[in-house]
Amino acid sequence: QKEVEQNSGPLSVPEGAIASLNCTYSDRGSQSFFWYRQYSGKSPELIMFIYSNGDKEDGRFTAQLNKASQYVSLLIRDSQPSDSATYLCAVNRQNTGNQFYFGTGTSLTVIP
Amino acid sequence: NAGVMQNPRHLVRRRGQEARLRCSPMKGHSHVYWYRQLPEEGLKFMVYLQKENIIDESGMPKERFSAEFPKEGPSILRIQQVVRGDSAAYFCASSPDLSRPNEQFFGPGTRLTVL
Repeated sequence: QKEVEQNSGPLSVPEGAIASLNCTYSDRGSQSFFWYRQYSGKSPELIMFIYSNGDKEDGRFTAQLNKASQYVSLLIRDSQPSDSATYLCAVNRQNTGNQFYFGTGTSLTVIP
Repeated sequence: NAGVMQNPRHLVRRRGQEARLRCSPMKGHSHVYWYRQLPEEGLKFMVYLQKENIIDESGMPKERFSAEFPKEGPSILRIQQVVRGDSAAYFCASSPDLSRPNEQFFGPGTRLTVL
């Protein structure tokens, strides 16, 4: 079983719609959860992080964490073509020395 | 405030040569991480370093790969006797000191091609 699993997609949504990206993780000891955006050929860019159960909102982005279900998601409201990228879910377990475990990413395309 | 810097951005080596990848963390960051990204795959953790110390190298291949973060200068990932399977993008990330250890900021990466 992989540490972090994501649906590779591709996920396509029309401009203005809500994009929903999902991620599950295997280790209940995981403590911190991150979403990165990666454009093709570029480096990952931190979008959001969440530590506690519930929702965390930042502009058009909302991260949701459910530790009981070992599930974290990212919602993108009012999707724009510039949001088209691969979204990486990352999980940190501090007892492993700050090592991040990344999913393989979900490719999102926002159609104008 | 400059971000994480990596050089070179592109590196071409022939099989059997050595590759040296450099990473300068963001100002004020003392934690450095190296990741490898193969085509169509996710980022794989390789090593975590602080100044003059390797904290976690559980993701490093046992042979040919080494990393250091000296007191002065950038962190270096060294790959000896490269093989075609080493072709990948290598990303360095850094994070602040202990007050916020978990937010990792990535450099632009070094794309290594082994001929």
